[in-house]
Amino acid sequence: GAVVSQHPSWVICKSGTSVKIECRSLDFQATTMFWYRQFPKQSLMLMATSNEGSKATYEQGVEKDKFLINHASLTLSTLTVTSAHPEDSSFYICSARRGGSTETQYFGPGTRLLVL
Amino acid sequence: QKEVEQNSGPLSVPEGAIASLNCTYSDRGSQSFFWYRQYSGKSPELIMFIYSNGDKEDGRFTAQLNKASQYVSLLIRDSQPSDSATYLCAVNLDLAGKSTFGDGTTLTVKP
Repeated sequence: GAVVSQHPSWVICKSGTSVKIECRSLDFQATTMFWYRQFPKQSLMLMATSNEGSKATYEQGVEKDKFLINHASLTLSTLTVTSAHPEDSSFYICSARRGGSTETQYFGPGTRLLVL
Repeated sequence: QKEVEQNSGPLSVPEGAIASLNCTYSDRGSQSFFWYRQYSGKSPELIMFIYSNGDKEDGRFTAQLNKASQYVSLLIRDSQPSDSATYLCAVNLDLAGKSTFGDGTTLTVKP
């Protein structure tokens, strides 16, 4: 199977600090990674699409200067929430896709962020 | 109109029954269709994907796709309490391959 890991699994931080979340594909090379956010009892909302070696494509309404995405290799993408505020508290989930556009996404276990 | 629509539920079925989950999508050019299961507090996990019209079976799960009517469904046979979760329908709407998710249907299987 295709395994995707995320680190950390949960984080608590003070308002104004930055938080970095890592997403790794452990047993395959991910040409594309996606970052989602999910608030309680709501559906997944795509934040951005990340392709290795190129700039991320952000969805409408997502601030690219606040949510910095780096996809430095075929197995690692990072999301940095800069100057986090309580309203950024959410469940952040990454997914990775192996190949073409019809390929399945494999989800990481998610990172729960709480900003105090 | 949402791009991907699901009945929010909750859908409740007795143990051993067939659970039927439905999803409609708006873009006729959609290429691929996925069903994910999400337990409370966890990330989604893939159940099935389907690309072609018709039925696709995997164990107790059957996905059905009808592109003419723009719907995709998931049948769960012999439902178990462990099937209780939120089921997300996802559709790849464009060539970039990003998926758009429905809001999910919450299924409860009662012992």
